[in-house]
This record gives sequence, structure tokens and C-alpha cells, in this order.
Amino acid sequence: EVQLVESGGGLVQPGGSLRLSCAVSGFTFSSYWMSWVRQAPGKGLEWVANIKQDGSEKYYVDSVKGRFTISRDNAKNSLYLQMSSLRAEDTAVYYCARDDSSGFHYWGQGTLVTVSS
Amino acid sequence: NFMLTQPHSVSESPGKTVTISCTGSGGSIASNYVHWYQQRPGSVPTTVIFDDNQRPSGVPDRFSGSIDSSSNSASLTISGLKTEDEADYYCQSYDSSNQNWVFGGGTKLTAL
Repeated sequence: EVQLVESGGGLVQPGGSLRLSCAVSGFTFSSYWMSWVRQAPGKGLEWVANIKQDGSEKYYVDSVKGRFTISRDNAKNSLYLQMSSLRAEDTAVYYCARDDSSGFHYWGQGTLVTVSS
Repeated sequence: NFMLTQPHSVSESPGKTVTISCTGSGGSIASNYVHWYQQRPGSVPTTVIFDDNQRPSGVPDRFSGSIDSSSNSASLTISGLKTEDEADYYCQSYDSSNQNWVFGGGTKLTAL
């Protein structure tokens, strides 16, 4: 059974940092691109970033470039999102998802990040 | 950059057919596949259509997808609408110009 389990969310002050993790099981993690997608409260889905199988390529939505860093550890079957210089508008549920060319067929349950003073 | 625009909401009576549009701008909708997701309240998105018109196993054939290059849009059609189809629906495609995935803003479907 495919499982993606996010962790690391919480309350952080504006300007602060947070590191999200996504533990993966049930498929060969090192064979797939992976993505982070977020959803602000009551809003739609927004793709945030993705990373190639070996970590050699990474892409980001413009709004997080220079502030967020996606990474992975294939030995630990884990995906990460390092977030810094956080803003109120980064408040959202953050999902990790397996990034297939045919879309995102597997998602985690999400972890809530709240940026507030 | 490529963008996808969806109507904010649609409503239809149970048993009827409803279509949700997804209009591309800043590029051709036919350049990359379009995928559709259903998200019920409090739940994670699930795929209902991938690669323009393919249904994952377990998705009823009441769900279908299509592309219209002339209007630069994709459509999700649900026939025989059921109350359980009430959800938010999102289209998604890929922007080859910047290697970014793009989601439409989402459409809230109400089965009155």
C-alpha cells in the first residue's frame, strides 16, 4: 500500500523557518519525481515545487523562489521542504504527492503550516 | 506563463449532466495533458481523469474528459449526477516554458 506521511507543520512567526518532511512507503521512492502542493484555508490547490528522482533538477513556483528549498533522501525514502522567510500568505495545508507525468495519483494527508504572530 | 481558469461554481440537479470547463491562457491547452481531481470537504484530492480523457480504475464511467483546441479549453463532464459527486474539482496541466505544474482555481459542484 502506498503511503505518504507529512510532518513538521505548526505555528511559526512571520520571517521564521520550518522544515516539512514526507515519509514514503509502498513504492520505489527513488524512481519518481516528487512534488509539494499547498492549499490555503478555503482556497484552491497551488503547486509549490518538485524534484527529480536523483535531486538534480528542482523547480519552484515564483512566489516561493529563494525562500523554499525542496530536497530528498532516497536512502530514507523521504522528501523535504525547507521554508524560510515565511509570510502570512504561506499559511496552508502542505501536501506531498508523487509526481507522475500523468498527474498526482498519490497524496499525503497534509500538514498545516500557520504563519502568524 | 500558462494559466488555467475554471468557473467558481456550477450546479445541476441529480440525474442530469454537468460540464466543468478549464480554459487555458498563455499557451496551448493541447501542448500537455490535462488532469482532473475531485476533492470532497476535509479530504485529499483524488484523480478522476488523467491524460485528458483517461479514467483511473474505480472511477465510474459517468466521468469523462475532453479537450477542445479551438477554444483552448478542457472539460470534465459528469453524467447521471449524484449527490455524492458534490465536491471541488480542479484541472491541472504542465507549463513547459518554466517546468511548473499549474492548477486551475477549482470549481465547486453542487447537486441541487
